Amino acid sequence: EVQLVESGGGLVQPGGSLRLSCAASGFTFSSYSMNWVRQAPGKGLEWVSYISSSSSTIYYADSVKGRFTISRDNAKNSLYLQMNSLRAEDTAVYYCARGSGHTVAYDYWGQGTLVTVSS
Amino acid sequence: QSALTQPASVSGSPGQSITISCTGTSSDVGSYNLVSWYQQHPGKAPKLMIYEVSKRPSGVSNRFSGSKSGNTASLTISGLQAEDEADYYCCSYAGSSTWAVFGGGTQLTVL
Repeated sequence: EVQLVESGGGLVQPGGSLRLSCAASGFTFSSYSMNWVRQAPGKGLEWVSYISSSSSTIYYADSVKGRFTISRDNAKNSLYLQMNSLRAEDTAVYYCARGSGHTVAYDYWGQGTLVTVSS
Repeated sequence: QSALTQPASVSGSPGQSITISCTGTSSDVGSYNLVSWYQQHPGKAPKLMIYEVSKRPSGVSNRFSGSKSGNTASLTISGLQAEDEADYYCCSYAGSSTWAVFGGGTQLTVL
């Protein structure tokens, strides 16, 4: 069974940093691209970042470019999102989502981890 | 990276059909047959319902179908059921520099 479990969320002050993790199991992690998608409270989904299976290709939304860094460790079946210079507007539930092999088709999602940026 | 435009809400009675539109631009929806749709129930993670405009993943009911014309993609749900009540989001590939853009979401109410 495919499972994605996010962790690392919490309360952080504006300007602070946080590192999210996503532990994958039930599939060959190294064969799939991965993404982070976020959802602000009561709002819609926003794609945040993409990383290819080998980490050779990475993309970011303009809203996080220069502040967030996506990475993965295929030996540990783990996906990461390092978030720096956090702002109030980064407050959201952050989901990791597996790329299905079809562009922008995310077939498995974690349960999400809440990041709250507030003083 | 402007969000794709969806109606805020749609409604229908059990057994009826509804269509949710998703309007983008010639830089995203209009240029690629790479539109996906997601269903999200309250407090749950999104679920992939349609990919590449009209393809259904294994396990998704054939009551769900997708199409595209110009810069607008559409999701049609036929034979509405109470369990279909949820939020629906479209997503489009937007080129290698932008990658992906979601719609604002549509709340479906089954009357």
